[in-house]
Amino acid sequence: AQSVTQLGSHVSVSEGALVLLRCNYSSSVPPYLFWYVQYPNQGLQLLLKYTSAATLVNGINGFEAEFKKSETSFHLTKPSAHMSDAAEYFCAGSILTGGGNKLTFGTGTQLKVEL
Amino acid sequence: NAGVTQTPKFQVLKTGQSMTLQCAQDMNHNSMYWYRQDPGMGLRLIYYSASEGTTDKGEVPNGYNVSRLNKREFSLRLESAAPSQTSVYFCASSEIAGGGEGTDTQYFGPGTRLTVL
Repeated sequence: AQSVTQLGSHVSVSEGALVLLRCNYSSSVPPYLFWYVQYPNQGLQLLLKYTSAATLVNGINGFEAEFKKSETSFHLTKPSAHMSDAAEYFCAGSILTGGGNKLTFGTGTQLKVEL
Repeated sequence: NAGVTQTPKFQVLKTGQSMTLQCAQDMNHNSMYWYRQDPGMGLRLIYYSASEGTTDKGEVPNGYNVSRLNKREFSLRLESAAPSQTSVYFCASSEIAGGGEGTDTQYFGPGTRLTVL
């Protein structure tokens, strides 16, 4: 079975500071991992995904994530936060089943960016 | 392309009423999904359709039914709404049919906010 855990339901950073959002997975098979962002009153938008081609994955809006098998982690980072980054972020994992690519989501991390 | 569209955007029901949430995608995707989002619980899969003509249960299917009307449309029905079904409902689609690549990206609609009184 696949599960995804996000540490910290709320994270607050100052504008210009490093953003670090944590995600750990547990899986009996190699997982596929995703980060999605949800802006207020909108649907989810893909930030980046781990495809096993490279452990460091670059996404949109300056975000990146590193897959660390030894730590079963896929943390999301951005060197310098902008006010526009304020949103909720979801880590998700999937394993292939005969019925398709079923995603398991973490509980989300609300990012607040302060002046 | 509009991507994934959902109707209605908002809905208020009384306990026991029924309604159908509509979802359509114009990306020629094979797989479609219905999720519900509740505070502090992330998104949970209700039902999915790995290809046209097939549907299957997800994590929280009780109280819901689905219909994959054609390749474009996937509807979610609440036969007798309950307050516990107050939530935000998201439809999503992905390109590859069941058994495809695990990195297949899911594309989400804007959601339907449902309140059951």
